[in-house]
Amino acid sequence: NAGVTQTPKFQVLKTGQSMTLQCAQDMNHNSMYWYRQDPGMGLRLIYYSASEGTTDKGEVPNGYNVSRLNKREFSLRLESAAPSQTSVYFCASSLRTGGGTDTQYFGPGTRLTVL
Amino acid sequence: EDKVVQSPLSLVVHEGDTVTLNCSYEVTNFRSLLWYKQEKKAPTFLFMLTSSGIEKKSGRLSSILDKKELFSILNITATQTGDSAVYLCAVDEEYGNKLVFGAGTILRVKS
Repeated sequence: NAGVTQTPKFQVLKTGQSMTLQCAQDMNHNSMYWYRQDPGMGLRLIYYSASEGTTDKGEVPNGYNVSRLNKREFSLRLESAAPSQTSVYFCASSLRTGGGTDTQYFGPGTRLTVL
Repeated sequence: EDKVVQSPLSLVVHEGDTVTLNCSYEVTNFRSLLWYKQEKKAPTFLFMLTSSGIEKKSGRLSSILDKKELFSILNITATQTGDSAVYLCAVDEEYGNKLVFGAGTILRVKS
C-alpha cells in the first residue's frame, strides 16, 4: 500500500519555466491538498479539492493552478516559476466526506528550487 | 483570520529530559486539533483531540486539549535522540474543509 506518492522528488527550474507536480493516493480518499513549507512558516495551504471535480483556493494560491484529474490524482502546476516559489511542496489526502473529524496523510514532498 | 501559534519555536534538551510543547489557536468553528511529527520528510500523524480534558497517550508522548482556553500541549517524557523532529500543530475547522497549521516547534534531543 503506497499511500500518497509525489513526483518528482527534486526539481530545479529557471525563472519563467513551467512544470507540473504530480500526486496520487491509493487510499480511496475524497479530499486532496497541496501545501508548501518554508522555513519558519509551517505548512501553508495552496489549493485543495474536497471531491473529484472540485477545487478551491487555500491561503497562498497565487502563481499556481491545480487539476483534480480523477479521484486518485491531484496535480499542481506552476505556469511561470519565480524564485519566491522555491520551497518544499507536500501533497496530502484525507477521507473527509463532509462531516466528522479527519486526519490528513502526507506524501514525501518535492523540493523545488527556482533560480 | 484563523491562527495557530506554537511555542517555543525551538528547543534543545538532553536525553531523559521531559519537554512540553504548546499550541494555541483562534479558529472559527473548531472541530479538532491534530499533532504531527516531521522528521526528514512528510509529517506523520500523532494525535487528534476533540474534547477538553481527555488525555491522549502513546508511549512516552501524551497530549491534552483545553477548549475553554484554546490551547493544547504535547508532552514527551524521557526524551530520546529519535524524538528530534519538528512538531506541528494543526486545527481542523467545522466548515472550512482544511487544516490550519502552526509554524512548528523544532526539538533537538542531545545524547
